[in-house]
Amino acid sequence: EVQLVESGGGLVQPGGSLRLSCAASGFTFSSYWMHWVRQAPGKGLVWVSRIKNDGSSISYVDSVKGRFTISRDNAKNTLYLQMNSLRVEDTAVYYCARAPGGRWFDPWGQGTLVTVSS
Amino acid sequence: QSALTQPASVSGSPGQSITISCTGTSSDVGGYNYVSWYQQHPGKAPKLMIYDVSNRPSGLSNRFSGSKSGNTASLTISGLQAEDEADYYCSSYTSSTTLVFGGGTKLTVL
Repeated sequence: EVQLVESGGGLVQPGGSLRLSCAASGFTFSSYWMHWVRQAPGKGLVWVSRIKNDGSSISYVDSVKGRFTISRDNAKNTLYLQMNSLRVEDTAVYYCARAPGGRWFDPWGQGTLVTVSS
Repeated sequence: QSALTQPASVSGSPGQSITISCTGTSSDVGGYNYVSWYQQHPGKAPKLMIYDVSNRPSGLSNRFSGSKSGNTASLTISGLQAEDEADYYCSSYTSSTTLVFGGGTKLTVL
């Protein structure tokens, strides 16, 4: 069974940092693009970042450029999102998702909540 | 990186058909056949319903279909059922090599 499990969320003060992890199982992780998508409470989905299967190509939404870094460890079947200089508006559930064609998301993890507040 | 435009809400009665639109620009929806659709029930992770404009994942009901004309993509759900009540989101690849979602549409089954 294909499974994605996010972890690392929590409460952090503005300006702080967090690293999210997404543990993958049930498929050949090193063959797939992977994405991060977030959803603020009561709001819609927002694409955050994507990384190619070998890590050679990375993209970000403008609002996180320079603050967030996506990476992966194919030996550990794990995707990461390093989030620095966090802002109140970064508060959201963060989902990781596999991208079979690089441009659609299937499946999604269950999400991890990041709350940025003083 | 502006969000794609979706109606905030649509509704229909059981057995009826509804269509949800998703409007972008020539830099996203209109420029690529890379539109996908997702269903999200409250408190749950999104689920892929359609990819590359009109392709259904294996095992998904053929009551769900997708299409595109110009800068507007559409998701049609036929034979509405109570369990179809959910939020629906479109997504498109963009010329900036990023992805963008629509604002979401709440489907109410009357």
